[in-house]
Amino acid sequence: AQTVTQSQPEMSVQEAETVTLSCTYDTSESDYYLFWYKQPPSRQMILVIRQEAYKQQNATENRFSVNFQKAAKSFSLKISDSQLGDAAMYFCAYRSGKTSGSRLTFGEGTQLTVNP
Amino acid sequence: EPEVTQTPSHQVTQMGQEVILRCVPISNHLYFYWYRQILGQKVEFLVSFYNNEISEKSEIFDDQFSVERPDGSNFTLKIRSTKLEDSAMYFCASRRGSYNEQFFGPGTRLTVL
Repeated sequence: AQTVTQSQPEMSVQEAETVTLSCTYDTSESDYYLFWYKQPPSRQMILVIRQEAYKQQNATENRFSVNFQKAAKSFSLKISDSQLGDAAMYFCAYRSGKTSGSRLTFGEGTQLTVNP
Repeated sequence: EPEVTQTPSHQVTQMGQEVILRCVPISNHLYFYWYRQILGQKVEFLVSFYNNEISEKSEIFDDQFSVERPDGSNFTLKIRSTKLEDSAMYFCASRRGSYNEQFFGPGTRLTVL
């Protein structure tokens, strides 16, 4: 079974600074997808960024980018120019590339605080 | 922009009662999911639904749980006899196709007393 681990329960960053959230995963599959979801206090789950395992290029969405290291099974999220609205719980998630294996497996989450 | 909706936003029930949580997935999506999140814990998969049948379920999804798509728009989760430990946030999600990401609804907070 696949597992996702986020080893940082809490992180903090100064407004306008850069922060990196860590995620590692364990799988024997070669075809899969990785995601970062943001959960603000409203508890809505918001997709931040996705990465296909077959793509070597790291995904980027505006101020959010990932460092995908397939061999190391590492998938970190970098937030540049942090804003107060970035404060939230961030979850890393894994999905198998098999059609039948479409469940998301989540990590424990990292609570990000942005200090003004 | 289309979004997944869930009702009610908060449900309070007595232990042993039946509850039905409702979701309206995005209209052209084909895959539907329920997840739950006990307060302070990670989000856990419950069940996935495709082509009018369950495609996958977790060990949490026992005989007390059932899902249904009664019409072309709604997707429901029923808990037959609620337990205290069923108190959690329940998220519905939907996905269009095999290679697309899942979009989540705002969640239903279930409190079992």
